[in-house]
Amino acid sequence: EVQLLESGGALVQPGGSLRLSCAASGFTFSSFGMSWVRQAPGKGLEWVSAISGSGVGTYYADSVKGRFTISRDNSKNTLYLQMNSLRAEDTAVYYCAKDVSVVPAAFFDYWGQGTLVTVSS
Amino acid sequence: ESVLTQSPGTLSLSPGERATLSCRASQSVSNNYLAWYQQKPGQAPRLLIYGASRRAAGIPDRFSGSGSGTDFTLAISRLEPEDFAVYSCQQYGTAYRTFGQGTKVEI
Repeated sequence: EVQLLESGGALVQPGGSLRLSCAASGFTFSSFGMSWVRQAPGKGLEWVSAISGSGVGTYYADSVKGRFTISRDNSKNTLYLQMNSLRAEDTAVYYCAKDVSVVPAAFFDYWGQGTLVTVSS
Repeated sequence: ESVLTQSPGTLSLSPGERATLSCRASQSVSNNYLAWYQQKPGQAPRLLIYGASRRAAGIPDRFSGSGSGTDFTLAISRLEPEDFAVYSCQQYGTAYRTFGQGTKVEI
């Protein structure tokens, strides 16, 4: 059974940093691209960042480029999102999502339950 | 970047009725790379449809997707109580995926 378990969400002040983790199980982690998708309170889904199965290819939405860094440790079956220079508009539930291919360019067949990031003073 | 606009924002229906949801893209969606997700309060999204019309594993056949180019539709033939939720479309084909803002189907 595929499972994705996010952690690391917290209340952080504007300008602060946070690292999210997503522990994966039930599939060959390195064979699939992974993404972070967020959802602000009462809003729609927003794709944030993606990474290829090998970790070589990384992609970012313009709204987070230069502030967020996606990475993965295939030996630990874990996906990460390092978030720096956080802003109020980054407040959201952050989901990790599994791509259906090694290149992260497709739809998502599995999602985690999400972790809440709140940016506020 | 293709912007996806969903309509209506909210659809008020009764169990047993048919629901028709629209997703319009600002640019043609290549190869009909369009997916639909269902999301219930406090839950993660669930994949329903991919490739505009292909049902994901385990999805009941009352859900169907259609369309091509810039206009896509998700239809639910007979609403069951568990179908009342928010539905979002998503385009793919590059790493830079985009979602529609969602349509809420309520009783």
